[in-house]
Amino acid sequence: QQPVQSPQAVILREGEDAVINCSSSKALYSVHWYRQKHGEAPVFLMILLKGGEQKGHEKISASFNEKKQQSSLYLTASQLSYSGTYFCGTEIRQGGSEKLVFGKGTKLTVNP
Amino acid sequence: KAGVTQTPRYLIKTRGQQVTLSCSPISGHRSVSWYQQTPGQGLQFLFEYFSETQRNKGNFPGRFSGRQFSNSRSEMNVSTLELGDSALYLCASSLKAARFYGYTFGSGTRLTVV
Repeated sequence: QQPVQSPQAVILREGEDAVINCSSSKALYSVHWYRQKHGEAPVFLMILLKGGEQKGHEKISASFNEKKQQSSLYLTASQLSYSGTYFCGTEIRQGGSEKLVFGKGTKLTVNP
Repeated sequence: KAGVTQTPRYLIKTRGQQVTLSCSPISGHRSVSWYQQTPGQGLQFLFEYFSETQRNKGNFPGRFSGRQFSNSRSEMNVSTLELGDSALYLCASSLKAARFYGYTFGSGTRLTVV
């Protein structure tokens, strides 16, 4: 049930790009992306609904491929403030209702 | 506006005891979900409440229970605590279905079982 995120960790230099992937074996209604900094609560970044849409948030964007049941988060020209752990949450149907399950996270470190 | 408030922030309990955690969602939010966060496992879904009804639950033993009150505040209870229950427990609220609105998380309650 839990989506699989890759890579588990990535280290970048400021200004470099990164891609984080999220795959699920179950049919998805939507995909959420959150960022959690050390010692803080996860913060909502964006939602992608069924339909293969792509959304953007500053220099962070994401895509959702419904057929492949996967989503990718794109971070371009990374900044120091992008450091943190990124979680994807996939909305699946179980027991007659939907629930949001999260992957184990991808730790992103951006160095000067 | 005030965010999601979780109390207490820290708890230390002994094996076998029980504990109750509290979550006050953002005003107007009717959906409250609970997650357990441990290193290496990410966020594990516990349950979700909407308008005082449990809509879904995760794969946790019956020792974990919850409820939601008419003002949308929610409590989570863990009975007969085990060492493995040590974790950060996060509460998240949403206006309606999380599908369209996303979650706002609280800062969590750090539970340590000794």
